[in-house]
Amino acid sequence: AQSVAQPEDQVNVAEGNPLTVKCTYSVSGNPYLFWYVQYPNRGLQFLLKYITGDNLVKGSYGFEAEFNKSQTSFHLKKPSALVSDSALYFCAVGGYNKLIFGAGTRLAVHP
Amino acid sequence: EAGVTQFPSHSVIEKGQTVTLRCDPISGHDNLYWYRRVMGKEIKFLLHFVKESKQDESGMPNNRFLAERTGGTYSTLKVQPAELEDSGVYFCASSLGQGGVSPLHFGNGTRLTVT
Repeated sequence: AQSVAQPEDQVNVAEGNPLTVKCTYSVSGNPYLFWYVQYPNRGLQFLLKYITGDNLVKGSYGFEAEFNKSQTSFHLKKPSALVSDSALYFCAVGGYNKLIFGAGTRLAVHP
Repeated sequence: EAGVTQFPSHSVIEKGQTVTLRCDPISGHDNLYWYRRVMGKEIKFLLHFVKESKQDESGMPNNRFLAERTGGTYSTLKVQPAELEDSGVYFCASSLGQGGVSPLHFGNGTRLTVT
């Protein structure tokens, strides 16, 4: 069975510092991996995805994610955090016509 | 293009009552999904429509939940009778291609509270 784990409930970072939100996955076969962001009282918004190819995937709002097959990880990163990046972030694994989501990580960026 | 819309945004009902949630997907999206997030936990898959057909309903909790998609357009999710554990945020999403590969477009969700 496919699954996703987000080991941190919350990540705190100062504005301007780099940020990392962690995600590990478990799948049989090649993984399709996604990151979504949810702002308060809004639906989830697609940030980026990895299907195949380059291990570093670039997405919306300056975010990127690094696929690491040996560590079964797909961590979300940004070189310089903004206060406006504060939100709930979900990692997901795809396949079989649906996405399986993690529990989410709350990112808090402090001025 | 208009996004995925869900009605109502909030619903508070008593245990034993019935509630119907509605989702209007993006026009032309054959794939429609329902998901649910219970407080602080993962977003769980409920079911998947392709046009008007149920492709996968493996995530539906029990027979108190009934989903329909009339004519392959909007969808409804009815909970009857509601129980306390049904509280949570219900998300609808649609996609043009297969949801496991194509990005999903989500609505803002319906927050259901059962008291």
